[in-house]
Amino acid sequence: EAGVVQSPRYKIIEKKQPVAFWCNPISGHNTLYWYRQNLGQGPELLIRYENEEAVDDSQLPKDRFSAERLKGVDSTLKIQPAELGDSAVYLCASSLEGLGEQYFGPGTRLTVT
Amino acid sequence: QQQVKQSPQSLIVQKGGIPIINCAYENTAFDYFPWYQQFPGKGPALLIAIRPDVSEKKEGRFTISFNKSAKQFSLHIMDSQPGDSATYFCAAGSSGNTPLVFGKGTRLSVIA
Repeated sequence: EAGVVQSPRYKIIEKKQPVAFWCNPISGHNTLYWYRQNLGQGPELLIRYENEEAVDDSQLPKDRFSAERLKGVDSTLKIQPAELGDSAVYLCASSLEGLGEQYFGPGTRLTVT
Repeated sequence: QQQVKQSPQSLIVQKGGIPIINCAYENTAFDYFPWYQQFPGKGPALLIAIRPDVSEKKEGRFTISFNKSAKQFSLHIMDSQPGDSATYFCAAGSSGNTPLVFGKGTRLSVIA
């Protein structure tokens, strides 16, 4: 069974530029999460989807971050414009339902210069 | 506000030793406590998890001990191997509507 797929794996951009990350969850998993992991820290939740509905986006900086999960499968996380402090690893995870066991993708390492 | 406090920040043990990583939580609504293992360049991988109806859970060489009254739980790795060298994260969540909150991680090095 394929795991959570994320792309790109690495991205380097200049500040003020836009960037987008893509996630394909495990087949059949209804719940999808986006986390941000700063260096030496644990993952921090940005947004959680139940199917195509965002049910928890309280930690998403909505002035520059946006996310979508059309058709309740793949998801895209966007930052526009990026700031230096956005440099981090962006992790996508999925679970079968609700707040069950979460499976993480390999992440996208973003560097903003 | 950090809801899950993890210690130590780093740990070095000899091969065959038993590293112990501790976590403490604040929110009494938490009822799900997983541990994740992360290797460099990889996403966290679920290792073992416990719910508060038991005080201990063992899977292979990994054991979780849980103390509900103290709001603490710990991970023990028996007969540790160099391949166990990784960063370990504890987390806590609720089967209600509280998403996982992660500790800051423990970088474990097992030396031969």
